[in-house]
Amino acid sequence: GENVEQHPSTLSVQEGDSAVIKCTYSDSASNYFPWYKQELGKRPQLIIDIRSNVGEKKDQRIAVTLNKTAKHFSLHITETQPEDSAVYFCAASKRYSTLTFGKGTMLLVSP
Amino acid sequence: DSGVTQTPKHLITATGQRVTLRCSPRSGDLSVYWYQQSLDQGLQFLIQYYNGEERAKGNILERFSAQQFPDLHSELNLSSLELGDSALYFCASSVEVGGWTGGADTQYFGPGTRLTVL
Repeated sequence: GENVEQHPSTLSVQEGDSAVIKCTYSDSASNYFPWYKQELGKRPQLIIDIRSNVGEKKDQRIAVTLNKTAKHFSLHITETQPEDSAVYFCAASKRYSTLTFGKGTMLLVSP
Repeated sequence: DSGVTQTPKHLITATGQRVTLRCSPRSGDLSVYWYQQSLDQGLQFLIQYYNGEERAKGNILERFSAQQFPDLHSELNLSSLELGDSALYFCASSVEVGGWTGGADTQYFGPGTRLTVL
């Protein structure tokens, strides 16, 4: 089955800096890659997703890049703010299979 | 608010007991997924239903079972509870445009049920 590795497990940045979280996947047939943000005790919320027919997608301060050849995708957050502090999960799936999640990255943004 | 509802929000029970968690998907969504999240753990997929039928199973224990009803709400039944079953249980739903596509469709999560087994 699919295996998703996520790094780093913890990331500390200063407010205003950029943050990058990387994920690799094992199944070359995977074609859907969402990113979820989870605040403590709350539900995971979809923040951005990308499908394999696109190499990059941007939404304001958040962007995701996908390298199908290398089987990795990354989340980029620019101009980080304290409210960006949360756990971020990447995931991968393909048609007729379920989402496989990475183990999460705790992002800490210090004022 | 994702449109997915879960009840109850909190549940405290004793070892050996049985509980039922309920989930109502977003209007129009046909697929329901159940996940378990233990302390400091990621999201462990348990089971998926599509339009009333079981579609996929993950790391679901035999003591756990689920079903999806004709009105598309779903219930997760946990029996013979153990201390290690204490966790957040999330339900998610997706629309599955064009029929069942498995997980390759956007999933929206409910607020979760926090289960504490004493």
